[in-house]
Amino acid sequence: AQSVSQHNHHVILSEAASLELGCNYSYGGTVNLFWYVQYPGQHLQLLLKYFSGDPLVKGIKGFEAEFIKSKFSFNLRKPSVQWSDTAEYFCAVTAPSGYSTLTFGKGTMLLVSP
Amino acid sequence: DTAVSQTPKYLVTQMGNDKSIKCEQNLGHDTMYWYKQDSKKFLKIMFSYNNKELIINETVPNRFSPKSPDKAHLNLHINSLELGDSAVYFCASSQGRVGYGYTFGSGTRLTVV
Repeated sequence: AQSVSQHNHHVILSEAASLELGCNYSYGGTVNLFWYVQYPGQHLQLLLKYFSGDPLVKGIKGFEAEFIKSKFSFNLRKPSVQWSDTAEYFCAVTAPSGYSTLTFGKGTMLLVSP
Repeated sequence: DTAVSQTPKYLVTQMGNDKSIKCEQNLGHDTMYWYKQDSKKFLKIMFSYNNKELIINETVPNRFSPKSPDKAHLNLHINSLELGDSAVYFCASSQGRVGYGYTFGSGTRLTVV
């Protein structure tokens, strides 16, 4: 079974600072990788996903993530955060075949101060 | 226009009661899920249905019983509610293989007092 580890539980940044949230997964085969965002009191929304091909994936709202297979990592980045990026960020993984479900990391709470 | 809709949004009830949460999706997806998000925001799969058939049933107390009358609906019934059942329950849907990602509902915040 797959598992996901997010290193930072809480991150506090000032506006315009650069962001990198760590995500490592554990799974013996090919994986599909996702980042979801949950704004306060809201549901999860998909930021970006990786299936195959270019390991640098661009998502919505200026976010991107890089898949590094040798490190089993899929870190999320944004060059300049805004106050509106304050939210919980979840990394998730699934096997690309069959009916396996998304396995989520425990989330990283990002607080951006104006 | 809501893709995945859940009702109710909030549910406050006493211990020992039985309650249901409903979920409907209008995306034409064939697979639906229930996830539980605890107070520490951890998301854990509970159930998954594909074309009305239960395909994933994680270690969940049998007080929780899902039901899918058709592939657009997935309901969750909870018997004899306990304090530890307090959480946010999210419904989600996907088309077949999860590789295409899930669409989540807005969640049902269940509080057991």
